[in-house]
Amino acid sequence: EVQLVESGGGLVQPGGSLRLSCAASGFTFSSYEMNWVRQAPGKGLEWLSYISSSATTIYYADSVKGRFTISRDNAKNSLYLQMNSLRVEDTAVYYCVKGTDRWGQGTLVTVSS
Amino acid sequence: QTVVTQEPSLTVSPGGTVTLTCASSTGAVTSGYYPNWFQQKPGQAPRALIYGTSNKHSWTPARFSGSLLGGKAALTLSGVQPEDEADYYCLLYYSGVRVFGGGTKLTVL
Repeated sequence: EVQLVESGGGLVQPGGSLRLSCAASGFTFSSYEMNWVRQAPGKGLEWLSYISSSATTIYYADSVKGRFTISRDNAKNSLYLQMNSLRVEDTAVYYCVKGTDRWGQGTLVTVSS
Repeated sequence: QTVVTQEPSLTVSPGGTVTLTCASSTGAVTSGYYPNWFQQKPGQAPRALIYGTSNKHSWTPARFSGSLLGGKAALTLSGVQPEDEADYYCLLYYSGVRVFGGGTKLTVL
């Protein structure tokens, strides 16, 4: 069974940093592209970043380019999102997504002073 | 800035048929935009329904179908069930960057 479990969310002050992790199981992680998607409270989905299976290709949404960094460790079956210079508007549930077909349950990031 | 537009809300009767659409600010949506559709119910993570315009996942109910219609991507629900009441999002690919539509709130009434 495919499982994606996000962790690392929490409360952080504006300007701070946070690193999200996603532990994958139930599939050959190293063979699949991965994405991060977020959803602000009461709002729609926002795609953030893509990483290819071998990490050779990476894309970012303009809203996070230069502040967020996606990475993966295929030996540890893990996906990461390093988030720097956080803003109040980054407050959201952050989802790890296998390709586009399987979603984790999300981790809440709250940026507030 | 690329904008993907969906109907904010639609209402359908049980057993009826409804079509949700997904338009791109860049022009007509083609298969090259690799349209995906997702369903999200309150308090739940999104669930994938359709990929590559019209391909269904193994768990996608047969009453859901995807297509291109009048320059837009479309999701059609035939024989709507009460449990289909949810938010629906489309996703388009723009040379690597992905963009979600704003979502359609589907009410079954």
